[in-house]
Amino acid sequence: DAGVIQSPRHEVTEMGQEVTLRCKPISGHDYLFWYRQTMMRGLELLIYFNNNVPIDDSGMPEDRFSAKMPNASFSTLKIQPSEPRDSAVYFCASSLAPVRGTDTQYFGPGTRLTVL
Amino acid sequence: GDSVTQMEGPVTLSEEAFLTINCTYTATGYPSLFWYVQYPGEGLQLLLKATKADDKGSNKGFEATYRKETTSFHLEKGSVQVSDSAVYFCATGGATNKLIFGTGTLLAVQP
Repeated sequence: DAGVIQSPRHEVTEMGQEVTLRCKPISGHDYLFWYRQTMMRGLELLIYFNNNVPIDDSGMPEDRFSAKMPNASFSTLKIQPSEPRDSAVYFCASSLAPVRGTDTQYFGPGTRLTVL
Repeated sequence: GDSVTQMEGPVTLSEEAFLTINCTYTATGYPSLFWYVQYPGEGLQLLLKATKADDKGSNKGFEATYRKETTSFHLEKGSVQVSDSAVYFCATGGATNKLIFGTGTLLAVQP
């Protein structure tokens, strides 16, 4: 299996621009997670999906952030408009149906976003 | 709510030294416990896990034992290598399907 695939690996954009990050989970996985990692705040869960349905988006920082999962093999995280404080590494992870968190999450390589 | 506390880094060791990275957790019920490792420029990878009290997870020479009485899951390795240099994250799978991560501990192993 190719693992979780994320694109782009690096993104540099200017403040105010729209940014779209993409993720392809491992085939057959029912859960998909979006995380953000910064030096100041560490690793934060933004949102997760079960069978393409958003379950918990309490970690999404504000309305500028939105995430979709139109089918089982694709998800996007969009930031519009972007701000310099959004600069971070964004990870996507997927897992089989976890029972009370017992299952392993498999992480993608991340997208390093820089907003100038 | 559920939380994980792990020792601050960086931890700097010489090759072949003994490693301990402390991790304690607070959670309702009987959570699963995990150690993930992040090598430079990469995503997190599962290193080991334990799903119930007294279980020992092990992988690549690393071990951690689920201690319910002390709510701990300390990571140990008897002899570290330069290639073990990475950031190590302790995590708990609590009452929801989410993983709660610690802040990470940077390990630097010098030859």
